[in-house]
Amino acid sequence: DAKTTQPTSMDCAEGRAANLPCNHSTISGNEYVYWYRQIHSQGPQYIIHGLKNNETNEMASLIITEDRKSSTLILPHATLRDTAVYYCIVSSVNTDKLIFGTGTRLQVFP
Amino acid sequence: DTAVSQTPKYLVTQMGNDKSIKCEQNLGHDTMYWYKQDSKKFLKIMFSYNNKELIINETVPNRFSPKSPDKAHLNLHINSLELGDSAVYFCASSQRASEGEQFFGPGTRLTVL
Repeated sequence: DAKTTQPTSMDCAEGRAANLPCNHSTISGNEYVYWYRQIHSQGPQYIIHGLKNNETNEMASLIITEDRKSSTLILPHATLRDTAVYYCIVSSVNTDKLIFGTGTRLQVFP
Repeated sequence: DTAVSQTPKYLVTQMGNDKSIKCEQNLGHDTMYWYKQDSKKFLKIMFSYNNKELIINETVPNRFSPKSPDKAHLNLHINSLELGDSAVYFCASSQRASEGEQFFGPGTRLTVL
């Protein structure tokens, strides 16, 4: 599975959009980009995933560059409860496992 | 209703003991997983079961033995506990194998003294 690179930490003001970048320059054609988050002391929570096209759901938007070498997770209106570690994971449909990296610690402040 | 539940939430035990952690999912999923998150917060998969059959075993010591009595349950039994086994263990499930959307339980914090 391709390796991902994320900033160690980011800050965001409450109510503003949080844009979390992820580099996955070695991604293969059959690999999806998944985003999870882990709020302190809780289990990881699935957010969104995509292959080529941009995706949006009730939690977030996922923007994938045309060459698929990077992506951005957007939380449109961050709240204090969005403070968490966000993991960007690249995974093939042919694999049964997710490989979690170190993620980005997002701190939303009032 | 809790989708993926684990018991116990906390487990404190002595080195050398044998302990079990239970996991249940009520989502009707075919695949279940066990992950370990160590003190440095690295989250790693240990096992994966699909329809009660083992499909992933990530070079975990033989002291760890998963057991899946049915599709909705995946228990983790650990023999001869060691200090290094102290971690948070998460159970997860997905609709099918090779499914990236996984639902995680709340975790079991195991402390070995």
